[in-house]
Amino acid sequence: KNEVEQSPQNLTAQEGEFITINCSYSVGISALHWLQQHPGGGIVSLFMLSSGKKKHGRLIATINIQEKHSSLHITASHPRDSAVYICAVRPNTDKLIFGTGTRLQVFP
Amino acid sequence: GAGVSQSPSNKVTEKGKDVELRCDPISGHTALYWYRQSLGQGLEFLIYFQGNSAPDKSGLPSDRFSAERTGGSVSTLTIQRTQQEDSAVYLCASNNRGITDTQYFGPGTRLTVL
Repeated sequence: KNEVEQSPQNLTAQEGEFITINCSYSVGISALHWLQQHPGGGIVSLFMLSSGKKKHGRLIATINIQEKHSSLHITASHPRDSAVYICAVRPNTDKLIFGTGTRLQVFP
Repeated sequence: GAGVSQSPSNKVTEKGKDVELRCDPISGHTALYWYRQSLGQGLEFLIYFQGNSAPDKSGLPSDRFSAERTGGSVSTLTIQRTQQEDSAVYLCASNNRGITDTQYFGPGTRLTVL
């Protein structure tokens, strides 16, 4: 069993839909990251969370440390949101452990 | 300002050859990370440099892999006697550990071993 599990693996949506991507982990962590990888491979860090909730534009990330679970929400989704979204956790070391990613396609 | 840069962007090599991949982190960033993303698989940690401390090499898959960071800036990942299973995208990231945990990723080097 992977230490970081994401669901779903693949997700399609119509433009405007509300999207949720889930991440569960099995190790103790000091922080959790959400990353976005566009076709062509570039990776951008979206959020770093250690508790609670963060919002940036149409993106919202939440984390529940007790349940070892985080969600990434996209409101009013747009085709440009199409990408792979990756959850990564930082245990009490400086290494990141990555989930396998969720491939999102948003159609107009 | 300039982001993390990597070179080459693509590298095709023959099995058994050595390759060197380069990473230029963001100026002033004290921490530098190497990751590997194999086709259809998630990202995998390889090695981590922080300032003048000894690097964390625990993710290197075999002794054919090594990395160095000269002068606390540029890093080179070397793969000796490449194998077909080394084919992957090799990603470098940097941050100012202690100031922010956000990692800034380079565009990657796509390595193909024939």
